Amino acid sequence: DTAVSQTPKYLVTQMGNDKSIKCEQNLGHDTMYWYKQDSKKFLKIMFSYNNKELIINETVPNRFSPKSPDKAHLNLHINSLELGDSAVYFCASSQGEVNTGELFFGEGSRLTVL
Amino acid sequence: GQNIDQPTEMTATEGAIVQINCTYQTSGFNGLFWYQQHAGEAPTFLSYNVLDGLEEKGRFSSFLSRSKGYSYLLLKELQMKDSASYLCAVTNSNYQLIWGAGTKLIIKP
Repeated sequence: DTAVSQTPKYLVTQMGNDKSIKCEQNLGHDTMYWYKQDSKKFLKIMFSYNNKELIINETVPNRFSPKSPDKAHLNLHINSLELGDSAVYFCASSQGEVNTGELFFGEGSRLTVL
Repeated sequence: GQNIDQPTEMTATEGAIVQINCTYQTSGFNGLFWYQQHAGEAPTFLSYNVLDGLEEKGRFSSFLSRSKGYSYLLLKELQMKDSASYLCAVTNSNYQLIWGAGTKLIIKP
């Protein structure tokens, strides 16, 4: 069984479109994250969500919005896509409070904006 | 500012030993992680150090010196499948996770 699963794995779209990436974890973890990894392979935190609190990285444009219907799901919606949004987006989860335990990553969603 | 430094790339020979260093400057310290990331795949957890000393796990060991802001990941009996990027990450006093850019390890036969 996949622990952290995200869909779609690949997404190719035009500038200006709106798209969503879904993430689900079946580990019973309290905390979920969205990371962006660009072509230089640097992992950048976008959002952390503990079932009590959403923590937003202030450098993330407000075109990006996380939505968590329950603690097992954290979806990412992106409005008005730009070329610079092309990257691999990783969902992750961990037990306990934010950044207190090892991260379990999903397989990644490779977004290409044309 | 806060930053993590690790070499961009290293090359080693199959069967040998390699040490990947990581130095950090962060506002406080609450633990250091090492992750492995194969090309095109997700990072996977390797080790966690919060106290000084060496943690051994099979062919991989991780060392931490908090006073020096320094860690290393030691890989023994290298195998071709160890070719990957190795990411160092530190949790600071605010429980922010600060990531290094990763060290790409190339294993040659």
